[in-house]
Amino acid sequence: GAGVSQSPRYKVAKRGQDVALRCDPISGHVSLFWYQQALGQGPEFLTYFQNEAQLDKSGLPSDRFFAERPEGSVSTLKIQRTQQEDSAVYLCASSSTTGLTYEQYFGPGTRLTVT
Amino acid sequence: SQQGEEDPQALSIQEGENATMNCSYKTSINNLQWYRQNSGRGLVHLILIRSNEREKHSGRLRVTLDTSKKSSSLLITASRAADTASYFCATAPNSGYSTLTFGKGTMLLVSP
Repeated sequence: GAGVSQSPRYKVAKRGQDVALRCDPISGHVSLFWYQQALGQGPEFLTYFQNEAQLDKSGLPSDRFFAERPEGSVSTLKIQRTQQEDSAVYLCASSSTTGLTYEQYFGPGTRLTVT
Repeated sequence: SQQGEEDPQALSIQEGENATMNCSYKTSINNLQWYRQNSGRGLVHLILIRSNEREKHSGRLRVTLDTSKKSSSLLITASRAADTASYFCATAPNSGYSTLTFGKGTMLLVSP
């Protein structure tokens, strides 16, 4: 079936604007993760959902970042009042289980550039 | 924060040669995974090795894990130009949620 999809693929925002990034996980996947990848770095964890419940948001860098998954499928990552340091690729991943020993399937990412 | 470091940061080889990348991490883990990221594409899972395993093979990939040294290595044999990518190790914790902690990656360039 289809993999994880993300939209938009590219987003340019002026500093101070709000942005919303969408993730469509693989159908039926229980777990959904958001990661932030700065240029030349590995992805860093932002937040984790199990179905519609946000169980871990310890990686969100500030209260300007907000994520939701209201029906346990599609998720949206919202960044308010964007700053230049928010420029990065935002990756969404899903997994079929909540277990520890299962791979995550990643989407292509949304590249956010804040000018 | 990053869990650990990959070594080397960049590696350039010829087609047909073997490529070895190393990864070190800091905390105890449930498993360690290797991912590949091509330019403009998302991360693709390559292989997962559990903390009670020492070696695992998948096609041209060989992964080792030494939990006493908190290190892992990824060997790609008979490399191809299509193997050109960044390679990341990622660790899953011993408890809680399966949040992955990634290293900074090794950029591999395979020349024809």
